Amino acid sequence: NSKVIQTPRYLVKGQGQKAKMRCIPEKGHPVVFWYQQNKNNEFKFLINFQNQEVLQQIDMTEKRFSAECPSNSPCSLEIQSSEAGDSALYLCASSLSRGPQNTLYFGAGTRLSVL
Amino acid sequence: GDSVTQTEGQVTVSESKSLIINCTYSATSIGYPNLFWYVRYPGEGLQLLLKVITAGQKGSSRGFEATYNKEATSFHLQKASVQESDSAVYYCALSEISSGSWQLIFGSGTQLTVMP
Repeated sequence: NSKVIQTPRYLVKGQGQKAKMRCIPEKGHPVVFWYQQNKNNEFKFLINFQNQEVLQQIDMTEKRFSAECPSNSPCSLEIQSSEAGDSALYLCASSLSRGPQNTLYFGAGTRLSVL
Repeated sequence: GDSVTQTEGQVTVSESKSLIINCTYSATSIGYPNLFWYVRYPGEGLQLLLKVITAGQKGSSRGFEATYNKEATSFHLQKASVQESDSAVYYCALSEISSGSWQLIFGSGTQLTVMP
């Protein structure tokens, strides 16, 4: 079973409010991914890190979304001004290395509802 | 760009019957992508079921099998005899290097319900 811990499990925000969620990757995993899964079960890659360095991120995250993985602290994903379309399940995953053959280990997710 | 297609959104099968969940992919890299099946059981997080990184090879786990067919660009998931505990959502996925990095690209998932 995965040991990626995501908090909180559920997050309810009003439009325009900040939403912040956290992720503790599996011990010894330097690579962390954030995905958004919408109500149609579609996954959207948001950003990934190796240790504290951003490897890749999509345009969406460069505007209202911000993320970091500080040393010795949980990783976090923050939405500065939530919109209704941000309502989704946010998944954090970690991996042993950055190679594409590596398995991603997922947390249970944070379900964000923007009212 | 790369994509993964699962044509069945929901599949219902009686216990002890055989199962096949279809998955086809489109990859733009000149090499071969890595292929995965992930599963989400009720109340649990997404977890790896099996993976195959070499074309032509078969992966297996918990009685499930999938063969990496590069000619047909398919990676169908099969099981000879399903159990009620197999009820879950199954996601086919691929990964390959793109622009110096990589990410996992998922299909839309297949909800499997096994009837007793």
